[in-house]
Parts: sequence; C-alpha cells; structure tokens
Amino acid sequence: DSGVTQTPKHLITATGQRVTLRCSPRSGDLSVYWYQQSLDQGLQFLIQYYNGEERAKGNILERFSAQQFPDLHSELNLSSLELGDSALYFCASSVGGRGTGELFFGEGSRLTVL
Amino acid sequence: GIQVEQSPPDLILQEGANSTLRCNFSDSVNNLQWFHQNPWGQLINLFYIPSGTKQNGRLSATTVATERYSLLYISSSQTTDSGVYFCAVGTIQGAQKLVFGQGTRLTINP
Repeated sequence: DSGVTQTPKHLITATGQRVTLRCSPRSGDLSVYWYQQSLDQGLQFLIQYYNGEERAKGNILERFSAQQFPDLHSELNLSSLELGDSALYFCASSVGGRGTGELFFGEGSRLTVL
Repeated sequence: GIQVEQSPPDLILQEGANSTLRCNFSDSVNNLQWFHQNPWGQLINLFYIPSGTKQNGRLSATTVATERYSLLYISSSQTTDSGVYFCAVGTIQGAQKLVFGQGTRLTINP
C-alpha cells in the first residue's frame, strides 16, 4: 500500500459525459501528480500541483482540468469525454515540489468511455 | 525534453533465471525510479536510485548517472515477477515530474 488513495477504481461512462477522479496523497506529501496510461501512449504526465498551486503542466487536454484543495486532496475533471479518453489514470504524491524526492503512485482509476 | 529508452521491450524467461533490464536517458537527472506494474495495473515502487547501487532481496539496481543509464537486476525469477517494469526519470527543469520509458514486459514461465 503506497498510501495514495484514488477513487473510483473503475468508471464506465458514455461519450460526451463528465467525470471527476479523486486523489488523496500520502500523509505529509504536498505535491500531487496526475498521469494517464493508455495502450498507445504509455504513461504520460498530465499536471502537477504543489501545496494548492499548479507547478507543472504536461500533455493535458483543454477538456481536462485539475485542482488541489486546502486539505491537499486533488481532483481531475474530464469533460466532453471521447472514446480515446479511455485509460488508466494515476495519481502520485511526493513530499516536495522541486528537486529530488520519490514519487508514490495510487492504484489508479480505470476509465472506460463507451 | 528528456528521452528514456528501455531495453529489451519484451523478455520471456523460465522460473529461476536471472535477468538484466536497462534504462538509458538522454540528459542529467536528479531522480530515477524503477517500478513494477503488476497484472492488475498497480505501479509498485521498486527503487529510488538517482545514483549508486541498491539491493532489495532478489532485486538490485545500479545507476551510473555520468553515463546516463540504469540497470535493474532480477535474480532467481519467480512467476510473480511477471509484469511490466518501468524506468522513470526526473530533472530539476522538469519540476520533479517523472518521465517514463516505454517499459520492459517480463514474462516468467513456470
């Protein structure tokens, strides 16, 4: 158990819908990262938050947004869903926001868009 | 951005065999981690090893940062070692995010 909690574990929805994925970081960790794992793209970095502030942005679509709340949990919102958004979405956390430090990953949220 | 290449892409071995997985990266790093993704999709931390050598049971890893590569050794393989092994690196410019390689798929047959 990494200590990073993600919900829901599985989610099935239809094209055009909107979903929210939730992540609780390890106790004491200030940084949260979101990754997408699809069959053809591998593990892709989406976005990082550090203590409530956006720190880095990767290949995140405009239809996707995220935020980190004062209690440090984070939510990833995916809207106007397309078939290609079907993927495993991981959240990770670490103590710091820059420099060295180990990242720990949650078990992922598997999204299926039909 | 930094490039991460893992080899081999696929490896099939018999139980009890030893294996070496390689990770090459194109720039200086301040973070390097090895993960095992099990058949259920979970990413398990194996090593945090931006430099040097570490061992944990049957697994060990070495990173030679000056030559931009890392090796993961698995000895006396077991069927539960099957899965995909990822190397991921981070740079200061990258704000600590990890860039993943494409992985090595390891299959251990009984």
